[in-house]
This record gives sequence, structure tokens and C-alpha cells, in this order.
Amino acid sequence: QKEVEQDPGPLSVPEGAIVSLNCTYSNSAFQYFMWYRQYSRKGPELLMYTYSSGNKEDGRFTAQVDKSSKYISLFIRDSQPSDSATYLCAIWGRNAGNNRKLIWGLGTSLAVNP
Amino acid sequence: DVKVTQSSRYLVKRTGEKVFLECVQDMDHENMFWYRQDPGLGLRLIYFSYDVKMKEKGDIPEGYSVSREKKERFSLILESASTNQTSMYLCASSASQGSGGANVLTFGAGSRLTVL
Repeated sequence: QKEVEQDPGPLSVPEGAIVSLNCTYSNSAFQYFMWYRQYSRKGPELLMYTYSSGNKEDGRFTAQVDKSSKYISLFIRDSQPSDSATYLCAIWGRNAGNNRKLIWGLGTSLAVNP
Repeated sequence: DVKVTQSSRYLVKRTGEKVFLECVQDMDHENMFWYRQDPGLGLRLIYFSYDVKMKEKGDIPEGYSVSREKKERFSLILESASTNQTSMYLCASSASQGSGGANVLTFGAGSRLTVL
């Protein structure tokens, strides 16, 4: 089983739609949860960063963490064509060998159509 | 406003050539990383460094080496390029986490390497 699973998509939505992007993870010791956005031919950039279970909002973006289910989500409200990108989840914590490790999802490709 | 700079955006090299990919960060970060990114495989860590002159192997170090002579600069070296090293290479840096906190990375724009 992969430590982090993320549906690669592609996901195509009309402008204004609510978008839900998700990752699951296997290690309950993971503590920090991040979402990165990557535009075509660019490097990833940090979008959201959460530590605890619950929701964190930043403008049109909401990151949600459910540690009991080992499930994280990123919601985008009122999606815009400029949101078209690949979204990567990244999870940080100590693995079974007590080594701190950053684990990446494969990324979900999102297209928001005008 | 550029914080992590990768010197070459696009390179085309021939099999067997030695390839240098340079990365410079201006945030005084202790940690620097080299990843490669391939469709269907995602981001894979090649090497990282927690301090000047220190290096640690990542998940896929074979065929690569690194150099960190100065805090701000981290170089990736392909001693003898092969076609399976055709990829997008991403450099990143982060501040030291101490005993806690997550490793939040700042990435460069990437270097697209094609080996013929």
C-alpha cells in the first residue's frame, strides 16, 4: 500500500464550480498536511498547510483534515480558469523507522473551463 | 522576488555526457533538495543536504551525485547521462525545523532535461 494515495484525474469542471481534491494516507503518525499547486512548466508552490484535524480557510480555498479516517481534502469555491493546475498533497511526519519524511501524492490535474 | 533559481530551464544532452544542474536560493535556508518529476511517478527525491558539505541520499540516488560547497548553492551532477534520466528536475529549499514543525519546501521553476 502506498503511503499517500491521490487520484491523478484529470478533473474538468465549469467555471464557478466547487472542486474537491482528496488524498488518503496510511501512517497515523503523520502530522503535517500540505497542498501544493503546480502550473504547467513551473515548480510546485505551497498553497495550504495544516497540522490538526479540522478545517483551515484561505480565501476560496479550504483544507480539511480527518485524522481518524486518514483523509485530507482541498476544496476550491467559485473555481476560476486560473485555478487550472496540478494539485499535489504532501504529508510530513515520522515513519515507522522514526525518520522524518515528506511523502508526496502523485497530483491531481484540474482544468476549469470558462 | 525569485527565491530558488535553477540556472537552466531547458537542456538537451547526449548519452554519456556529464551534466551539471545548478540551484541557488536566497532565503538563507539550511536544507536543499533535488527531485525529479515524471508522469505517473510523481516527485521522487534524489539527494538532499542539511548543511554545507553535507549530503544524504534520497529515494533514487543512483546515477547522480551532488555538491554543496556554499549554503546557498546545491548542484546536481549526472556523471554519464542516460536516456532514462530524461525528466523534469526540481530544486527546493527549506528552513531548519529544529525539533518540530514540518518541512515546507520552496521550489525552483524546474530544469527540463532531455538526453538523446
